[in-house]
Parts: sequence; C-alpha cells; structure tokens
Amino acid sequence: EVQLVESGGVVVQPGGSLRLSCAASGFTFDDYTMHWVRQAPGKGLEWVSLISWDGGSTYYADSVKGRFTISRDNSKNSLYLQMNSLRTEDTALYYCAKAKDGYNSFDYWGQGTLVTVSS
Amino acid sequence: EIVMTQSPATLSVSPGERATLSCRASQSVSSNLAWYQQKPGQAPRLLIYGASTRATGIPARFSGSGSGTEFTLTISSLQSEDFAVYYCQQYNNWPPVTFGQGTRLEIK
Repeated sequence: EVQLVESGGVVVQPGGSLRLSCAASGFTFDDYTMHWVRQAPGKGLEWVSLISWDGGSTYYADSVKGRFTISRDNSKNSLYLQMNSLRTEDTALYYCAKAKDGYNSFDYWGQGTLVTVSS
Repeated sequence: EIVMTQSPATLSVSPGERATLSCRASQSVSSNLAWYQQKPGQAPRLLIYGASTRATGIPARFSGSGSGTEFTLTISSLQSEDFAVYYCQQYNNWPPVTFGQGTRLEIK
C-alpha cells in the first residue's frame, strides 16, 4: 500500500524558515517524480514544486521561486521542502504527491501538513 | 501559464441524477487532463487521467471526455458519497502544473 506521510508544519513568523518532510512507502520511491501541492484554508489547489526521480531536475511555481527548495533522499525514501522568507500568503496545508507513471498527474497524496505564517 | 476554468462553481443535483461538470483550458492541453475529488478534511483523490481513463478503483459511474481545451466529467447516477469538490488539472504544459478553481457538487 502506497503511503505518503508529511510532517514539519508549524506556526512560524513572517520571514521565518521551515522544512517539511514527506516519508514515502509502498512503492519504489526513486522511480518517480514527486511534487508538493498546497491548499490555503478554504481555497483551491496550487502546485508548488516538483523534483525528478533522481533529483536532477527541479521546478517551482513563480510564487515560491527563490524562497523554497525541493529535495529528496532516495536512500531514505523521503521528500523535503525547505521554505525560507515565509509570507502570510504561504499559509496552507501542504501535500506531497506522487506523479503517476511518466506524467504529472497525481495518483497518491499524503494527508498534508499545516503551515501557518503569522505574527 | 495555462489557465483552467471550471463551471459551474456550484452544482446542485439530486441523488440518483446525472451531474455534468465542465473544465476549459486557455490553450490546448491535448488529453493531458486529470480530475480529482476532494471531500472535507481529506486529500484529493485521482478520478480520471488522460482526460478519460478512470484511475484504479474508481466506479464506472464516473466518466471523463474531451480533448484540446474542453473537458467534461460526468457522474451518471449520483450517490451520497459523491457530493464533494471536484478539480480539473492540466499536465501538458509545465511548469507550472495548473488546477481549475473547483466545482462544489452539493445535494439538491
């Protein structure tokens, strides 16, 4: 059974930093592109970032480019999101999601970890 | 960036009836279109990918159609568990991957 379990979400002040983690199991982690998708309270889904199977390619939404860094450790079956210079508009539930096969639809999602940016 | 527009924002349908949800792309996304269902307090669930292929375990009452810029998700006979928010997503031109704003399907 595929499982994705996010952690690391907390309340942080504007300008602060945070690192989210996603522990993966039930599939061959290093075969797949992985993503972070977020959802602000009461709002829709917003793609944040993706990383290729080997970590060699990364992409970001314009809203987080230069502030967030996605990474992975295939030896630990783990995905990460380093979040710097946080803004109030970054407040959201952050999901990690597995890309389906060779395409960037998402066949498995974690339950999310809540990041609140507030003074 | 490809903008995805879903309509209507809210759809009220009675159980047992058919629901038709629409999604339009600002430019062609070929058939690289997915649909997701999200219930309160839950993560999204993949329903349809490739515009018309049901994901594993998705009931046959869910069907997707369309290509290019116009797409439809049809739920043939609504069950109580189908009332939720539905999102379309394009993955043809990325980054960024983009989602529609969602359609809330509510009980009439």
